[in-house]
Amino acid sequence: DAGVIQSPRHEVTEMGQEVTLRCKPISGHNSLFWYRQTMMRGLELLIYFNNNVPIDDSGMPEDRFSAKMPNASFSTLKIQPSEPRDSAVYFCASSWLGGDEQFFGPGTRLTVL
Amino acid sequence: GDSVTQMEGPVTLSEEAFLTINCTYTATGYPSLFWYVQYPGEGLQLLLKATKADDKGSNKGFEATYRKETTSFHLEKGSVQVSDSAVYFCALKKSVQGGKLIFGQGTELSVKP
Repeated sequence: DAGVIQSPRHEVTEMGQEVTLRCKPISGHNSLFWYRQTMMRGLELLIYFNNNVPIDDSGMPEDRFSAKMPNASFSTLKIQPSEPRDSAVYFCASSWLGGDEQFFGPGTRLTVL
Repeated sequence: GDSVTQMEGPVTLSEEAFLTINCTYTATGYPSLFWYVQYPGEGLQLLLKATKADDKGSNKGFEATYRKETTSFHLEKGSVQVSDSAVYFCALKKSVQGGKLIFGQGTELSVKP
């Protein structure tokens, strides 16, 4: 069975450019989470969706970050414009609504020069 | 607010040594508690969980007991292997927050042959 799929796996871009990260959750899951992992701040929840509706975006760092979930099988996290401090590994995870276990994707390693 | 605190790493052990990674939490109500593991270059995966006081979660030789009186959920393993080298995250979830997990900062474990 396919797990959570993220693309790209690695992204290198220059400051000021737009970056779009993509996630395909496990089929049948109806909760989706975006996390950011850095050495300094650890693992942070950015936003999560239930049934494609954003429930809590209090972790989104600023207006440069936006996330969408147009349907149950696809979500994007966009950074515009990107800054060097956005460099991190971004994880997408999915679960059944209210379920205990979250299933993580392999992550996207973003480097902003 | 709710939070999780883990012992700082890295923890370095020899193969077959006993492992303890301390985890304490602050939360109102009765959260569920989890240990997730992250192997190098991968996303997190659930290791074990406990949903109420005095429950013991176990998996792959790892154990943790939900201690409400000490607000702790320490991870233990009697004999570690090189393959256990990873980063371990303690986390809590409260059903009133939907699927949101609150993670500790992670503890890196390195097991030497």
